[in-house]
Order: sequence, then structure tokens, then C-alpha cells
Amino acid sequence: AQSVTQPDIHITVSEGASLELRCNYSYGATPYLFWYVQSPGQGLQLLLKYFSGDTLVQGIKGFEAEFKRSQSSFNLRKPSVHWSDAAEYFCAVGFGNEKLTFGTGTRLTIIP
Amino acid sequence: SQTIHQWPATLVQPVGSPLSLECTVEGTSNPNLYWYRQAAGRGLQLLFYSVGIGQISSEVPQNLSASRPQDRQFILSSKKLLLSDSGFYLCAWRSWSGNGYTFGSGTRLTVV
Repeated sequence: AQSVTQPDIHITVSEGASLELRCNYSYGATPYLFWYVQSPGQGLQLLLKYFSGDTLVQGIKGFEAEFKRSQSSFNLRKPSVHWSDAAEYFCAVGFGNEKLTFGTGTRLTIIP
Repeated sequence: SQTIHQWPATLVQPVGSPLSLECTVEGTSNPNLYWYRQAAGRGLQLLFYSVGIGQISSEVPQNLSASRPQDRQFILSSKKLLLSDSGFYLCAWRSWSGNGYTFGSGTRLTVV
């Protein structure tokens, strides 16, 4: 069965520092890959997605993610975080039109 | 444009009372629809999904039920709420294009 692992439950970074959130998946084939962000009390917003092609994908709010087939990973990065990036981040995988499998999320705290 | 509406935003209900949460989608037809729940500090739990009118798949046995009376309407119900039903409920939809989910803004349910 497919699964998604986000090994970091909580990450704290300083404003202006770089960020990398990890996501690993287990799937029979290369799935579609997604990153979502959730601000407190809000729904989830799509940051970026990977279907095929260039393994480095750009998203909204200055985020990017790199798909590495050999490592079954799809890590989310941002070169310089802003206080407004504090939120919960979810990685998700799926194939075609089947339902997505979500990771358990990583909570990001930004310190001044 | 495509939008998703979810209401109410917050709800406080006594134990044993009924529940009805509604989700509607605009600007698309024949979407896949999903109900998720987030308990405090936990990830997303898929409750129900629907690929068409009257077609409901349940992911976990529970005190809740779902219905899809119209193509773009998805309703989450309970006859008698339990304390454990408290949480943040999210509706989502997905088109046949294979894109990721679009989430509603969520309903915070507190059962007292």
C-alpha cells in the first residue's frame, strides 16, 4: 500500500534562513506529488505539484520542490523564510484520479 | 472559476445532537468529493469520498455518514454526536483532470 512519510513533526527556523521539509513516499510507480500549506484554522492550499518532466518544480510563495526518484523523495525548499511562512505543511501522493495519501504534516515555526 | 463552499465555519453542538455539514462546488461538473477530519495536532483522516451522485465510499467505521444528493453537493451527517467527533472537518474536490485537491475553508466542530 502507498504511504507518505514526513519525518519531521516540528521544525523551527529563523526568519531569513533557508528551509527544507522532507517527504518520502512508498508507491508502486512514480505517483503525482503535491505539497500543501495550512495556516491555523484554515483549509489547505496547494503550493506546488509534480506530474512528470523537470524534477525541480516551482510553486507559489517562493517555494520549490525537487523530485528524486532514486530516493523516493519530494522535499520542499525555500531559500529565505518569512514570518508569514509559519504554518503546517503536508506532502501528498496519488496516481491518476485516485484519492491522495497525505503525510502527517510538519509544523513550521519561524523565530525572529 | 471553480470554487468550493463549506459551512458553517464553526459549530458547537451538545453530545447526542444531530449534525449536518454542507459542501458545494461551483464551476465544475462531476467532481470527486472528499470529507476529511483533523483532530487536534494530528494529520488528515479521510472519512468519505464520492465519485458521483449517490456514490459514497467510507474509509473508516464511525458515527458519521455522508450523502451526495446532487452532483456538486456533499453532506456530512450524524444522528447523534459523540465527544470524539470534535475536530476540524475539511471538504475537498478534485476534477477528472488529475489535479490535486482543492480544499474548503473547513468547519471547526466542538462537541460539548
